[in-house]
Parts: sequence; C-alpha cells; structure tokens
Amino acid sequence: DAGVTQSPTHLIKTRGQQVTLRCSPKSGHDTVSWYQQALGQGPQFIFQYYEEEERQRGNFPDRFSGHQFPNYSSELNVNALLLGDSALYLCASSLTSGRYLAKNIQYFGAGTRLSVL
Amino acid sequence: KNEVEQSPQNLTAQEGEFITINCSYSVGISALHWLQQHPGGGIVSLFMLSSGKKKHGRLIATINIQEKHSSLHITASHPRDSAVYICAVPPNTGNQFYFGTGTSLTVIP
Repeated sequence: DAGVTQSPTHLIKTRGQQVTLRCSPKSGHDTVSWYQQALGQGPQFIFQYYEEEERQRGNFPDRFSGHQFPNYSSELNVNALLLGDSALYLCASSLTSGRYLAKNIQYFGAGTRLSVL
Repeated sequence: KNEVEQSPQNLTAQEGEFITINCSYSVGISALHWLQQHPGGGIVSLFMLSSGKKKHGRLIATINIQEKHSSLHITASHPRDSAVYICAVPPNTGNQFYFGTGTSLTVIP
C-alpha cells in the first residue's frame, strides 16, 4: 500500500515564475492538506481540500492556490514566486468520513523542496 | 502566541542518555501527535495519543489533557535517533493541524 507520494522531490525556480507541486494521497484517503515548512520552523498550514473543494485555508496569499481531482490527488500552485517561498512543501492525507478520530490521523509525504533563486 | 510550544529547541545528548522533549498547547484537542522528521524532510508519525501513555520500543509518549501538556521520552538514546521531533495537534474545531517548531535532537556516539 503506497503511502502519500509527492512530486517532484526537488525543484529550483526563479523569482516571478510559477510552480505546480503534486500529491497523491494514501490509498483510501479523501482529504489532502498542504503545509509550508521554512528552514528551522514547524510546518504552517496552507489549505485543505475535500470533495474537490478548498475546505479551509491558512494565512497564505492568493498566489497560493490548489486543486483536488476526482481521484483525490491534489496540486499546489504558487504564482509569482518570491525568494521567501523557498521551503519544504508537505502534503498530508487523511480520511474525513468514517471513524470519529479518523480526521485526526494524517499521513505525510516526504515533501517537495522548492528553492527560489 | 503559537498554539503549540515545544522545548527545548535544540538538544545534544551522549549515546545512552535518557531524553525528554516537552510540548504545551493552548487549543482544545482530542488527540496529539508526535512526529519525527529526518534530514531531507520526510515526516513519520510516531504516536497519536489522547490520554495516558503509549510506548513503542525505546519511545514513550505521555499526555495530560487537563494540563494541556505532553512529553516524548527516548530511553537509551542512539545516534540514529538524531532527527527533529515535532508535536502536532488537530484542534477540536477546524480541520488544520497546529505544529510546534520542533526539537532538533543530536545524539553523539
């Protein structure tokens, strides 16, 4: 059973460019959350997708957008990249429906490390 | 103020030492996670606990919901335990997780 997979693993972009990161959730999971982790910091919540809609959003500008597909996989798009967007981007999947505590259990991918030059 | 506070931020220990990492949180929760992150970024879930204590090998996690505090203990630490340990809580309201800034542990042979 594959866990959460993210691609690419590493990415280098320049300021002003756009980037798309991809995430496939753990089999059976229907919810995908995206996090940004700056060096030396804990992950910060970007947004969460469920039923192909953005269900909740953290304190990130509109340059950060996402999408969830019918197969539950998800993309994170960042437009007009800034140097400060350099970070590890983590995807986590969970199951919204089902057991009460199911939504509390998130499985994390290995992350995509984005460097903006 | 962060919803989750961890201490210490950095920890260096000699192999074999007993290690404690602490986590305090301010939101109402029903469960708390301890995560391990190795260099390179991948996060592994160590524990999810909602009360009392859980043990897995040399790792022990405890939580006191009333005091909003949890601890992660590592007995007989080993260099392969070197990693960042992160406390994370899913609050009772909302769908996101709140994370501590992590404790960077280095175990020296």
